[in-house]
Amino acid sequence: KAGVTQTPRYLIKTRGQQVTLSCSPISGHRSVSWYQQTPGQGLQFLFEYFSETQRNKGNFPGRFSGRQFSNSRSEMNVSTLELGDSALYLCASSLGTGQYLSYEQYFGPGTRLTVT
Amino acid sequence: AQTVTQSQPEMSVQEAETVTLSCTYDTSESDYYLFWYKQPPSRQMILVIRQEAYKQQNATENRFSVNFQKAAKSFSLKISDSQLGDAAMYFCAYRWSGGGADGLTFGKGTHLIIQP
Repeated sequence: KAGVTQTPRYLIKTRGQQVTLSCSPISGHRSVSWYQQTPGQGLQFLFEYFSETQRNKGNFPGRFSGRQFSNSRSEMNVSTLELGDSALYLCASSLGTGQYLSYEQYFGPGTRLTVT
Repeated sequence: AQTVTQSQPEMSVQEAETVTLSCTYDTSESDYYLFWYKQPPSRQMILVIRQEAYKQQNATENRFSVNFQKAAKSFSLKISDSQLGDAAMYFCAYRWSGGGADGLTFGKGTHLIIQP
C-alpha cells in the first residue's frame, strides 16, 4: 500500500497570505489528523477528521481550519499567516474505526512552511 | 490534561550496544495507548512500537522493546544491538482510547546518537 502523501513538500509564503496544505491518507484509512511541529513547541495536535467530520480540535486559533473529502483526503488551511506559523505540518492517517488498531497513526513526510 | 515527559534531551550509545530511552506520562484515564515514534533527519515519523494500557505484557518488535509500568506511569524504550540507522529523534506519545481523544500527545523527544 502507498503511504501517506502530503503536498506540497515545501512552501514559502508572506505574512498575511493564506495557505492550503493537502494530505492523502493510506488507502482504507478514514481518519486524518494534522500536527504542527516547531523547535520551540514540539509536536502539537491541530485537528482530526473522520468521515468528513471534524472529530477533535487542538488549541489553535480559528485561522487554522481543515476539511475532509468523501475519499478521505484532507486539506488544512491557514489564513492570515504569521511568522510563528513557520513549521513542519504533519498529516497522519489511521483506520479510525474504534478498534484498538485504529489508534495507530501513520505519518506523511510533512510540508515545510516558511512564512517571511 | 495529559502530559508526556522525556527527561533525556540527548543520548549517545556505541554501535551494537543497548540503550534505554525514558518516558513518563500523566493521565487520569485508565484505558489508553502509548507509542514510540522515530523521526530521522528526513523528518518522516515512523511508528516503532505501541503498547495498549490494558495489556500487562510488554510489547516487543525485533530489537525494540518497552518496559511499561502502568502504576508508575512509565514507558521506556529499549533498543538492543544499536545500529547506525537507529540514529534519530525518538518521541514518546500518548493517546486516550475514548471517543473524545485529542490526537496524540507527544513528549519533547530524545535525540539518539549512535557512535560507530
